[in-house]
Amino acid sequence: AQSVTQPDIHITVSEGASLELRCNYSYGATPYLFWYVQSPGQGLQLLLKYFSGDTLVQGIKGFEAEFKRSQSSFNLRKPSVHWSDAAEYFCAVGAWSGGGADGLTFGKGTHLIIQP
Amino acid sequence: EAQVTQNPRYLITVTGKKLTVTCSQNMNHEYMSWYRQDPGLGLRQIYYSMNVEVTDKGDVPEGYKVSRKEKRNFPLILESPSPNQTSLYFCASYRVGYGYTFGSGTRLTVV
Repeated sequence: AQSVTQPDIHITVSEGASLELRCNYSYGATPYLFWYVQSPGQGLQLLLKYFSGDTLVQGIKGFEAEFKRSQSSFNLRKPSVHWSDAAEYFCAVGAWSGGGADGLTFGKGTHLIIQP
Repeated sequence: EAQVTQNPRYLITVTGKKLTVTCSQNMNHEYMSWYRQDPGLGLRQIYYSMNVEVTDKGDVPEGYKVSRKEKRNFPLILESPSPNQTSLYFCASYRVGYGYTFGSGTRLTVV
C-alpha cells in the first residue's frame, strides 16, 4: 500500500522569503503525485500534479514541485511567499490500477504560517 | 461551472439518527470517492466508486454506506452515527489525466 509523509507539521516563513515543503512517498510503481492547499474553512484546491514527463512541475499561484524518484520525494517550492499563502498544504499519491483509480492517499499536512 | 456539490455544509445530529450526505458532480466523471478529515490525521478515504453500481471500501469504511445508482450522485449514508464520526467530510470526483475535484466539505457533529 502507498503512504505519504510530510515531515513538517508546522512551518513559519517570513513574507517574501522562499518556501519549501517536504513530501516523501512510498509506492511500488510510478506514482501520480499531487499537492493540494486548504485555506481555513475551505475545501481542497489543486496546486499541481505529476503524472509523467518533466520532473519539474509548475502549478498555480507561483508554486512548483520537483519529482525525484531516487529520493521518493515531491517537494513543493515557491520563491517568494505572500501572506495569502498561509494555509494547510497536503501532498497526496494516487494509486492507479488497470487504468482506474483506487483513491488518493494523503499526508497529514503541513500548516504554513506567514510572518509579516 | 464544473463542480462537486455536497449538502449540507454543516450538520449537527444525535447518536443513532440515520443521516445522508449528498454529493453530486456535473462533469460526467466515472470515479467518485468520500474522504474524512480529522486533525493530525489528514484525509482518509472512506469509500470509492469506479462507476455506476461499482463501489469499494477505502481505508476507514466502518460505520458508513454508499450507493452509486447514477453516475452523477454518490451519497454517503450513516445508518447509526456515533460521536467518533464527528468529522469534516469531502466528496471528490476524478477525471483521467487531471486528478480529483473536491466538494466544499460537510462538517458533521454527532452528539
